[in-house]
Amino acid sequence: RKEVEQDPGPFNVPEGATVAFNCTYSNSASQSFFWYRQDCRKEPKLLMSVYSSGNEDGRFTAQLNRASQYISLLIRDSKLSDSATYLCVVAGGTASKLTFGTGTRLQVTL
Amino acid sequence: DAGITQSPRHKVTETGTPVTLRCHQTENHRYMYWYRQDPGHGLRLIHYSYGVKDTDKGEVSDGYSVSRSKTEDFLLTLESATSSQTSVYFCAIRVGGGADTQYFGPGTRLTVL
Repeated sequence: RKEVEQDPGPFNVPEGATVAFNCTYSNSASQSFFWYRQDCRKEPKLLMSVYSSGNEDGRFTAQLNRASQYISLLIRDSKLSDSATYLCVVAGGTASKLTFGTGTRLQVTL
Repeated sequence: DAGITQSPRHKVTETGTPVTLRCHQTENHRYMYWYRQDPGHGLRLIHYSYGVKDTDKGEVSDGYSVSRSKTEDFLLTLESATSSQTSVYFCAIRVGGGADTQYFGPGTRLTVL
């Protein structure tokens, strides 16, 4: 079983749609949680951290459920520019090692 | 922009040759990391450094060595490149005191023929 599991997609949605991605992780000792965005042939870029209380950044909302070891990302009012791969990431340990999911690909269309 | 550069950005080499990739940061962050990214796998940690001359292994360290002789540079060496090391290599720095947030360099695309 992978440490961080994501549905690879692709998710094909029209502009303006709401889309949700889910992620599960296996290490209950994980301490920090993130969503990164990666465009084709580019480096991953931090989208947002994820907190137990849930957090929102504009059109993006992230949720963490520690009991179920589950992380989600909701994107409202999708834009063409949201097309990318979204990486679920968990961190822990003394060196803050990150463990990445394989990513969920989103394609937003006209 | 996290002030991270990687060189070279692209490299084609032959099996058995040594290869060194360089990661350079401008902001004196203590922690630096090397990852590789391959289809079907998430980014996987190769080695990391927590200070000058302080390094440790990651998940996929076999066939790789690293060195950090100054804060700003973290080198990844493939002693004898193999085709299985064809990959995209990303360097990252950890930013923030207690946070785990990492920022990535632009990547090096390495092909071993």
